[in-house]
Order: sequence, then C-alpha cells, then structure tokens
Amino acid sequence: EVQLVESGGGLVQPGRSLRLSCAASGFTFDDYAMHWVRQAPGKGLEWVSGISWNSGSIGYADSVKGRFTISRDNAKNSLYLQMNSLRAEDTALYYCAKDTGDGYCSGGSCSPFDYWGQGTLVTVSS
Amino acid sequence: DIQLTQSPSFLSASVGDRVTITCRASQGISSYLAWYQQKPGKAPKLLIYAASTLQSGVPSRFSGSGSGTEFTLTISSLQPEDFATYYCQQLNSYPRFGPGTKVDIK
Repeated sequence: EVQLVESGGGLVQPGRSLRLSCAASGFTFDDYAMHWVRQAPGKGLEWVSGISWNSGSIGYADSVKGRFTISRDNAKNSLYLQMNSLRAEDTALYYCAKDTGDGYCSGGSCSPFDYWGQGTLVTVSS
Repeated sequence: DIQLTQSPSFLSASVGDRVTITCRASQGISSYLAWYQQKPGKAPKLLIYAASTLQSGVPSRFSGSGSGTEFTLTISSLQPEDFATYYCQQLNSYPRFGPGTKVDIK
C-alpha cells in the first residue's frame, strides 16, 4: 500500500524558516517524480514544487521561487521542502504527492498525481 | 502562463442527477488535463487523466471529455459519496490547478 506521511509543519513567525519532510513507502520511491501541493484554509489547491526521480529536473511556482527548495533522498525514501523567508500567505496545509511518471514535466508535458499524503499544516504568524 | 477557469463554481444537485463541470484553459493544452475529487478534511483523489482516461478504481459513472481549451467532467448519476469539490489540473508544462467546483446536496 502506498503511503505518504508529511511532517515538520507548525507555527512559525514571518521571515523564519521551516523544513517539511515526506516519508514514502509502498512503492519504489526512486522510480517517480514527487511534488508538494498546498491548500490555504478554505481555498483551492496550489502546486508548489516538483522534482524528478533523480533530482535532475526541478520546478517551482512563481509564488515560492527563490524562497523554497525541494529535495529528495532516495536512499531514505524521503522528500523535503525547505521553506525560507516565510510569509503569512504561505499559511496552508502542505501535501506531498506522487507523480505517475519519473520526470518533472519532461518534454514539456507533466504527469498527474496519483497518491497524496494527508498533509502537514504550516501557520505563519507573529 | 496558462490559466484555468471552472464553471460553475458551485452547484447544488440531487442524488441521481447528471452533473457536468466545465474547465477552460486560456491556451490550448491538447489533452493534458486531469480531474481530482476532494472531500472535506481529505486529500485530493485522482479521477481522470489525459482528459478522458479513468484512473484505476474510479467508478464508471465518472467520465471526462474535451481537448484544446474546453474540457468537461460528467457524473452520470450522482451518488451520496460524490458530494465534494472537483478540481481540474492542466499538465502542459506546469501542473496548475483550476479554482474548483463544489458539488453540494440540493
């Protein structure tokens, strides 16, 4: 059974940093690209970042570019999101999601996300 | 950037109704579109990809159609467990989501 378990969320002051983790199991982690998607309270889904199977291709939403860094450790079956210079508008439930392919939007097209974790809540407030 | 709109934003329907949700892209995206269902307090669930391919395990009352800039998600006979919010996602160069359509009980 595929499982994605996020951790690392919490309350943080504006301008500070936070690192999210996603522990994956039930599938061959290094065969697939992975993503972070967030959802602000009462709002819709916003794709945040994606990474290919070998970390060779990475993408970010404009809203987080330059502040967030995605990474993965295939030996540990883990995905990470380093979030710096946090803002109030980054407050959201952050989901880890598995891609159905191995590349991040390779060849100009992307693949859908077939498994999602339950999310970890990040609250940015003073 | 390619933008997505969904209509309606909200719809009220009864069990057994046929429901259609439309997703429009600001530029042509061929068939690079997926649909997700999200219930309150739960993670999204992939329903359809490549505009019309049903994800494994998804009931056949769900169907998708369209290409280019206009796409539809149809639920042929709404069931109690289908009351949820539905999102389209474009997969042409950037995995952006639409704003969502909430399907509520009439």
